[in-house]
Amino acid sequence: DGGITQSPKYLFRKEGQNVTLSCEQNLNHDAMYWYRQDPGQGLRLIYYSQIVNDFQKGDIAEGYSVSREKKESFPLTVTSAQKNPTAFYLCASSPRQDEAFFGQGTRLTVV
Amino acid sequence: GENVEQHPSTLSVQEGDSAVIKCTYSDSASNYFPWYKQELGKGPQLIIDIRSNVGEKKDQRIAVTLNKTAKHFSLHITETQPEDSAVYFCAASIRGGNEKLTFGTGTRLTIIP
Repeated sequence: DGGITQSPKYLFRKEGQNVTLSCEQNLNHDAMYWYRQDPGQGLRLIYYSQIVNDFQKGDIAEGYSVSREKKESFPLTVTSAQKNPTAFYLCASSPRQDEAFFGQGTRLTVV
Repeated sequence: GENVEQHPSTLSVQEGDSAVIKCTYSDSASNYFPWYKQELGKGPQLIIDIRSNVGEKKDQRIAVTLNKTAKHFSLHITETQPEDSAVYFCAASIRGGNEKLTFGTGTRLTIIP
């Protein structure tokens, strides 16, 4: 089936650790996005990529890093520099000039 | 950059009545305006979208209107049903440009049976 897959669904991180969230799509979409969702604050853009080997910072990129080595993959690393990483993370992809499709999200909790 | 404001943050309506959610955007270059529905613990799903070359679009009980001059767009849900209860997000993007998708803060819609 075609779609966008995020894993894991739940992730626990200890203080000071880096963690990587996976996002894979088999829709042949050019653009991919990472959003953070906190209660009452909507979806805030972390990073986005329009094409392989290129990506741009969104509104809240500090403490996060990404790579786009393959068209179908856009992993997000939450580094120890991110002071408040507990949130619901959403990945999306879209063809150019068309609708974005979202994954089911990863809930990250710092323990 | 683009800024999208969404109102109201919460909305309760009687089943069968209509619901209206409004959004404004700041960047006049934005040309694509989708609306997403998010159920608890899930990713948002597109319910309707509109491009800047049209003023209104309908899909069964759902419609979206766009006023480019005033830079605002609205979601209208008629004959509301309990399954319409969810969080709704508007967004704006420059398609054919940087493709960045900026979201509003969301509206929690509750349908009262």
